Amino acid sequence: AQKVTQAQTEISVVEKEDVTLDCVYETRDTTYYLFWYKQPPSGELVFLIRRNSFDEQNEISGRYSWNFQKSTSSFNFTITASQVVDSAVYFCALSEGEDSGYALNFGKGTSLLVTP
Amino acid sequence: DTGVSQDPRHKITKRGQNVTFRCDPISEHNRLYWYRQTLGQGPEFLTYFQNEAQLEKSRLLSDRFSAERPKGSFSTLEIQRTEQGDSAMYLCASSLFDSQYQETQYFGPGTRLLVL
Repeated sequence: AQKVTQAQTEISVVEKEDVTLDCVYETRDTTYYLFWYKQPPSGELVFLIRRNSFDEQNEISGRYSWNFQKSTSSFNFTITASQVVDSAVYFCALSEGEDSGYALNFGKGTSLLVTP
Repeated sequence: DTGVSQDPRHKITKRGQNVTFRCDPISEHNRLYWYRQTLGQGPEFLTYFQNEAQLEKSRLLSDRFSAERPKGSFSTLEIQRTEQGDSAMYLCASSLFDSQYQETQYFGPGTRLLVL
C-alpha cells in the first residue's frame, strides 16, 4: 500500500502565482519523519525540509512554507510568488524510523511547471 | 563542500551483461542508502548500510543484485545478468545521525542505466 500519496501529478502555474503541493501520508507509528525533496531536470534530489512527528509547527523559509497537520495526516508545501526556477518534480517522503531502517517511502511526485 | 558522488553517471549495456555502480558518500557519513527510480515514479528503497554492515534489503533486491561497502566508505552496487526491466536511475544517499538521533539523507546525482 502506498504510504505517501501526492494526488497532483502535474501542476502548471504562471510566474508569481502561489502554488500548494499536497502530501498525505499513512503510518501507524507515533514517531516518524516527513520530508520534501526537489528534483530538477538534472535529476539530483535536493533536500528541502525535514519534519518530526512530534513537532507540528509550520515552517517558512523564504518563499517556501510547509503546513503539517497530524489530524489530517497531511504535510503540504506552498511556494509563494513562484519563479521559473521552481520548475521541477517535488517529492514528499515518509520515514518510519528505526523499524524500517530509516528508509524513505516516497510519493510519486508532483511535476511543477512555472511559465513566464 | 563535497556532496555524494556517483560513477558512472550514465551506463548503456546489453541484456545479460553485468554492471557495477559506485557511490562515494559525504565524508564521515556512516549510513549509505541505495534507491531505484523508474520513469514517472518516486525513488524506491533497495538497501542500506551502517558503516560496512548491510542492515536491510528490500524485496526489490533480487538475487542478481549485490551491494557492498568495504571499510565503511564507498559502496558498489552490482547487477548481474541485466534485464531490460533493470533500466532505471540508481540513486545513492548518505546520512549521519545528529545530536538528537535524527537523520537527513543527501542524494547523489544518480546513475542512469539503460539495458538494451
